[in-house]
Amino acid sequence: GQQLNQSPQSMFIQEGEDVSMNCTSSSIFNTWLWYKQDPGEGPVLLIALYKAGELTSNGRLTAQFGITRKDSFLNISASIPSDVGIYFCAGRGNSGGSNYKLTFGKGTLLTVNP
Amino acid sequence: DTAVSQTPKYLVTQMGNDKSIKCEQNLGHDTMYWYKQDSKKFLKIMFSYNNKELIINETVPNRFSPKSPDKAHLNLHINSLELGDSAVYFCASSPMGNSPLHFGNGTRLTVT
Repeated sequence: GQQLNQSPQSMFIQEGEDVSMNCTSSSIFNTWLWYKQDPGEGPVLLIALYKAGELTSNGRLTAQFGITRKDSFLNISASIPSDVGIYFCAGRGNSGGSNYKLTFGKGTLLTVNP
Repeated sequence: DTAVSQTPKYLVTQMGNDKSIKCEQNLGHDTMYWYKQDSKKFLKIMFSYNNKELIINETVPNRFSPKSPDKAHLNLHINSLELGDSAVYFCASSPMGNSPLHFGNGTRLTVT
């Protein structure tokens, strides 16, 4: 089945620093999504990417859909304490039932020191 | 509020019991999902329904049975609960199969 490698597993940064995390896939995806999960809550969508090469921003967040369609990255600029949480990449293939199946990376735990 | 809501938020039960988790979405979405998040925070899909029809059924024990009475509801019934079933279960929905998912806030199941 499809596998996603997300790195790093965890990051400890100072407030104000920039952050970058990425995901690579063993197969081609036609959709890449980035989610954030706060403790005790469900994942919340941050950015959705639908085309190879697409670069999309959402405030201080920027994500790109890799040209090979097998990778994506998420950057957070000028981090603030409320950026703390687990960030997940997720990807979806383009055939049959895989249109519905969203595969998740294992998450990046971000800690921001004030 | 428009949302994906699931109940209960916490469920503590003993091995061998049967329990259900309910999920409702008022977003008008056609597709609903159940995901399991283990202690390492890994999210794995269990089931997906599109307009009450089962379209994804991952390798999940037969003790887990989803039921979708209408497209706004997808409940999860679990028979003969085992210790390994302890996890957080998330319901989610999407407008179409290839759209982003909207998640509920999870049900933390603890089997003792």
